[in-house]
Amino acid sequence: ETGVTQSPTHLIKTRGQQVTLRCSSQSGHNTVSWYQQALGQGPQFIFQYYREEENGRGNFPPRFSGLQFPNYSSELNVNALELDDSALYLCASSDNRGWNTIYFGEGSWLTVV
Amino acid sequence: DQQVKQNSPSLSVQEGRISILNCDYTNSMFDYFLWYKKYPAEGPTFLISISSIKDKNEDGRFTVFLNKSAKHLSLHIVPSQPGDSAVYFCAASSNTGNQFYFGTGTSLTVIP
Repeated sequence: ETGVTQSPTHLIKTRGQQVTLRCSSQSGHNTVSWYQQALGQGPQFIFQYYREEENGRGNFPPRFSGLQFPNYSSELNVNALELDDSALYLCASSDNRGWNTIYFGEGSWLTVV
Repeated sequence: DQQVKQNSPSLSVQEGRISILNCDYTNSMFDYFLWYKKYPAEGPTFLISISSIKDKNEDGRFTVFLNKSAKHLSLHIVPSQPGDSAVYFCAASSNTGNQFYFGTGTSLTVIP
């Protein structure tokens, strides 16, 4: 068990709606990264937050946004949901940037219909 | 373009034998590598890491080898156990970067 918790575990949304996913990082970790894993693919980097600031972003449109709070927990928000947004969304925490292992939560399964 | 590749989608091994999972990368700036195991309906679980200053790292039954000149790494599991049956992902990053690049995974089946 990594100590990274995510909620909700499963949810179904309609195309065009908005969704918020939540993550509590492992104790002592100040960096949170979000990844999207589509079926049959490896996780794809969405963005990273370090000390409440976005610290890098992958190839995802602006309708994917996030927040990190003073306790290092984080949110991923996706607006104007599309069918292709259906995926497993993974939160990972680490204790610093650079050579540090990232530890994943169990993920949030999002289905867009 | 896929910077980390796992060219074998699946692998079957007899219990007790060695499992070898391979991973190739294209970016010479990558200098830190991770292996994860993933069961269905769970998040990836960290297994073992290696940095570019080493060519081998061991942790129990798991050993990772890094060949920088070939841009290739491999994960050896000895002896393989049925509980090792899962999808294995390799991931790579650079010291100056903030993201890991993942392969598409190899599904390992250990046959009792």
